Amino acid sequence: GIQVEQSPPDLILQEGANSTLRCNFSDSVNNLQWFHQNPWGQLINLFYIPSGTKQNGRLSATTVATERYSLLYISSSQTTDSGVYFCAVRRSNDYKLSFGAGTTVTVRA
Amino acid sequence: GAVVSQHPSWVICKSGTSVKIECRSLDFQATTMFWYRQFPKQSLMLMATSNEGSKATYEQGVEKDKFLINHASLTLSTLTVTSAHPEDSSFYICSARTSGETQYFGPGTRLLVL
Repeated sequence: GIQVEQSPPDLILQEGANSTLRCNFSDSVNNLQWFHQNPWGQLINLFYIPSGTKQNGRLSATTVATERYSLLYISSSQTTDSGVYFCAVRRSNDYKLSFGAGTTVTVRA
Repeated sequence: GAVVSQHPSWVICKSGTSVKIECRSLDFQATTMFWYRQFPKQSLMLMATSNEGSKATYEQGVEKDKFLINHASLTLSTLTVTSAHPEDSSFYICSARTSGETQYFGPGTRLLVL
């Protein structure tokens, strides 16, 4: 199956700092989503971004499909940004999303 | 945005009992629903995929007689953990896909089997 690698595995930030999370994948995909799992377990959709760049408030994401990676940017981090960030991808001939191991982000006040 | 609900959010049961978890897509029709299991500090593990009106497709290693899935309508799927044992304790998450590509997740159900 497709391999999805996320880095770094853990990230500790001071409130107000910026950060970049990376997702590498091993095959061509037609679906890539970023999720934030909050401390209560809810997965929140951040971006559907199989290619290109999108922005939503303090978050933005870029996927370079030809080079098989995606980046999630968090600017001016807040304590509410804490949680686990997952990247998930799907190939065109596949029925399921393949998840990375996640990046655990801790934002300290 | 699309909303997926799950009920119950918490369940504690005795070993040997069966537990049913409901997953509903509240504002869209879900042609495909997914059930995941997540252990602490780990990623999501897909258990099965269900399409409305047809039998679920289980991932390798998942016991179909232990985890019964029914996708009765375009807005409802249920997961029944039969004869639950302590090793079935986990966080179960359902997900639904719209006619597009985006997949949305429910808030999860924490199961504790004593």
